Amino acid sequence: GNSVTQMEGPVTLSEEAFLTINCTYTATGYPSLFWYVQYPGEGLQLLLKATKADDKGSNKGFEATYRKETTSFHLEKGSVQVSDSAVYFCALRSNYGNNRLAFGKGNQVVVIP
Amino acid sequence: NAGVTQTPKFRILKIGQSMTLQCTQDMNHNYMYWYRQDPGMGLKLIYYSVGAGITDKGEVPNGYNVSRSTTEDFPLRLELAAPSQTSVYFCASSTGKNTEAFFGQGTRLTVV
Repeated sequence: GNSVTQMEGPVTLSEEAFLTINCTYTATGYPSLFWYVQYPGEGLQLLLKATKADDKGSNKGFEATYRKETTSFHLEKGSVQVSDSAVYFCALRSNYGNNRLAFGKGNQVVVIP
Repeated sequence: NAGVTQTPKFRILKIGQSMTLQCTQDMNHNYMYWYRQDPGMGLKLIYYSVGAGITDKGEVPNGYNVSRSTTEDFPLRLELAAPSQTSVYFCASSTGKNTEAFFGQGTRLTVV
């Protein structure tokens, strides 16, 4: 079945540091890939998405490239701010079968001033 | 500009009690979903619906029921609350395939 794997553990870094959160997936066919962000006490919001191989999604300084050869969709930001502190979820939706959204476990990101 | 609205935001239940978590969306989305979020476990799909009158089980449906009598509403029912159902519940909706889901603010449920 479809699944998403995110790197283990929270991520703590200083303001203006470079952020990378790894995401790999297993899916049938050609899924669409998403990154969602959850700020404290809120629901999930779509951060960016990519619907086909080699597409790059970008928003608010975050980027992720759909790599079919490595089945990855790593999230990056060049210079984080305290306001980027949140939980980040990688997700996929397959074109086949029941078309459900499958989520990774999420990564807590804490940015220290 | 409401999007997906969930009520209540917080609830404490005693073991064995029942309750309904409400979810409504005003975007005319066909697809609706219920997830639960437990610490370190990501989101698990409880039930989903692809349109009014159609529902199906997700990964963790036991102990829950849903109905979808209208496009807008997708309530989640807990019949006999158990401590294992302590969680944060999110409702979401989407237009269909390959589209992003829009989430409600969540309901934090504690069963004691």
